[in-house]
Amino acid sequence: KNEVEQSPQNLTAQEGEFITINCSYSVGISALHWLQQHPGGGIVSLFMLSSGKKKHGRLIATINIQEKHSSLHITASHPRDSAVYICAVKKGTDKLIFGTGTRLQVFP
Amino acid sequence: DAGITQSPRHKVTETGTPVTLRCHQTENHRYMYWYRQDPGHGLRLIHYSYGVKDTDKGEVSDGYSVSRSKTEDFLLTLESATSSQTSVYFCAISDWRAGSYNEQFFGPGTRLTVL
Repeated sequence: KNEVEQSPQNLTAQEGEFITINCSYSVGISALHWLQQHPGGGIVSLFMLSSGKKKHGRLIATINIQEKHSSLHITASHPRDSAVYICAVKKGTDKLIFGTGTRLQVFP
Repeated sequence: DAGITQSPRHKVTETGTPVTLRCHQTENHRYMYWYRQDPGHGLRLIHYSYGVKDTDKGEVSDGYSVSRSKTEDFLLTLESATSSQTSVYFCAISDWRAGSYNEQFFGPGTRLTVL
């Protein structure tokens, strides 16, 4: 069993919809990282958090340490949000363990 | 964007040949990482460095070696490339800054094909 599980693996949405991507993990962590990867593109850091909630524009990330669960929300989704969203957890101080990603497609 | 470049960006090579990928940073970050990304797998750590000449193995280090002779450059070498090493390789950097959790920033990637 993977230490980091994301759901769903694939997600399609209509423009304007509210989107939620989930990440569950089975290990003790010091922080959790959400990343975005556009098709054929590089990997961009969205959030890193260890408790509570963070917001940046239309993106919101939450984490519940007791339940070992994090969610990434996208409000008012847009086709340019189409990408793979990757959850990664930090064990200790240096290394990350990655989920396999959630592929999101937003249609106009 | 963090100043991270990777070279080459694309490479096709033959089985058995040596290959070196370069990661260069202008951010003076202490930590540097090499990952590979394959379908059906999350990013997997190959090797990482926590300072000049200080490196350690990741989860998929077999067949790879690294060197870091100066802060800004981290080299990944495939001594004798195999088809199983066909992948996209990402470099990342990080450092401890106030409130940053040692957040990692990624380079643009190198697509390597071993025929």
